[in-house]
Amino acid sequence: EAGVVQSPRYKIIEKKQPVAFWCNPISGHNTLYWYRQNLGQGPELLIRYENEEAVDDSQLPKDRFSAERLKGVDSTLKIQPAELGDSAVYLCASSLRPEGEQYFGPGTRLTVT
Amino acid sequence: SQQGEEDPQALSIQEGENATMNCSYKTSINNLQWYRQNSGRGLVHLILIRSNEREKHSGRLRVTLDTSKKSSSLLITASRAADTASYFCATEQAGTALIFGKGTTLSVSS
Repeated sequence: EAGVVQSPRYKIIEKKQPVAFWCNPISGHNTLYWYRQNLGQGPELLIRYENEEAVDDSQLPKDRFSAERLKGVDSTLKIQPAELGDSAVYLCASSLRPEGEQYFGPGTRLTVT
Repeated sequence: SQQGEEDPQALSIQEGENATMNCSYKTSINNLQWYRQNSGRGLVHLILIRSNEREKHSGRLRVTLDTSKKSSSLLITASRAADTASYFCATEQAGTALIFGKGTTLSVSS
């Protein structure tokens, strides 16, 4: 069984530039999550999807961040424009049910210079 | 905001020794989960313990949960160099997503 796939693995951009991250969850997993992990911290939820519906986006900075999950499968997280403080690892996870264990992708390490 | 808080922040042991990590949380939960993260990798689920359970085992892992003290512990027995990683506890309340702690960094030397 293929795991959660994320791309790119690494991204370096200048501040004020846009950036996008892509995630392909495990087949059949209806719940998809985007997390941000700062250095030395645990992951913090940005947005959670049930199929194509965003059911929890309270922690997503909506002035610059956007996400979509078309057709309830793949998802894209976008930042526009990026700021220095956005440097972090962006993790995507999926689960079979809203509660229970989550399966994480390898993450995208973003560096904003 | 982070509900779970792991203790210690860092732990260094020799191969063959046991490693114990603790997690405290603030509000009532549905379940508590432990994850491992190797350097530069995503998180891997280790074990889930529900609020009505007190202890669970999985291989060399033993997790306890004390809801009256709002705390959990993760014991890794007979540690190996490959256990070197960061370990996170995460709590789940009804209808909400996981909230992770800051993690314990475990270093096992051979």
